[in-house]
Amino acid sequence: DTAVSQTPKYLVTQMGNDKSIKCEQNLGHDTMYWYKQDSKKFLKIMFSYNNKELIINETVPNRFSPKSPDKAHLNLHINSLELGDSAVYFCASSRSGRSSYNEQFFGPGTRLTVL
Amino acid sequence: AQKITQTQPGMFVQEKEAVTLDCTYDTSDPSYGLFWYKQPSSGEMIFLIYQGSYDQQNATEGRYSLNFQKARKSANLVISASQLGDSAMYFCAMRELLYNFNKFYFGSGTKLNVKP
Repeated sequence: DTAVSQTPKYLVTQMGNDKSIKCEQNLGHDTMYWYKQDSKKFLKIMFSYNNKELIINETVPNRFSPKSPDKAHLNLHINSLELGDSAVYFCASSRSGRSSYNEQFFGPGTRLTVL
Repeated sequence: AQKITQTQPGMFVQEKEAVTLDCTYDTSDPSYGLFWYKQPSSGEMIFLIYQGSYDQQNATEGRYSLNFQKARKSANLVISASQLGDSAMYFCAMRELLYNFNKFYFGSGTKLNVKP
């Protein structure tokens, strides 16, 4: 009965490879997010989708491409991986709407290591 | 300007004592929500407590309370009777409701160490 799940939990790969991280939520939320947490623990928002529509697209290299096949899923594909992409990637979801009490629920994170 | 500022990169507290983690925010939106999350060394992000900008009372959840001072734009987290399991990173976050209402802004975090 996991609320927000991500796969894989760990990902070790070589520079230049292409990889994907998958995220699914069973909370019935309509908004999903990708965050990157670097080694200093800074959480940086990358993307957000609301009902399969991209609504937040921060300054992220276009090697990163999110895809939302439906509102319960948000995947992240990364092309031509670089050393600097090593980080923990968190998926999160929330209800949208103008109620301030819509906290984000986070997945367990995917630790990506690029060698 | 930073939306969320956490000025304490690291803090120590003795077990069973209370500790306050600082958070200030910057917004011109009259309606917003403030959140605190805990990230233990295992890595998951755990939601702790929420405060709405129009809430008259300070939020409390068990040993956690939020000291909300709207005029000062501060939303400090108070943990009473600290336990060893409270050792973790703590993040303050804000969600604006008028503009960018689906976006959460996070602070840089405070690493809390509880000493036995």
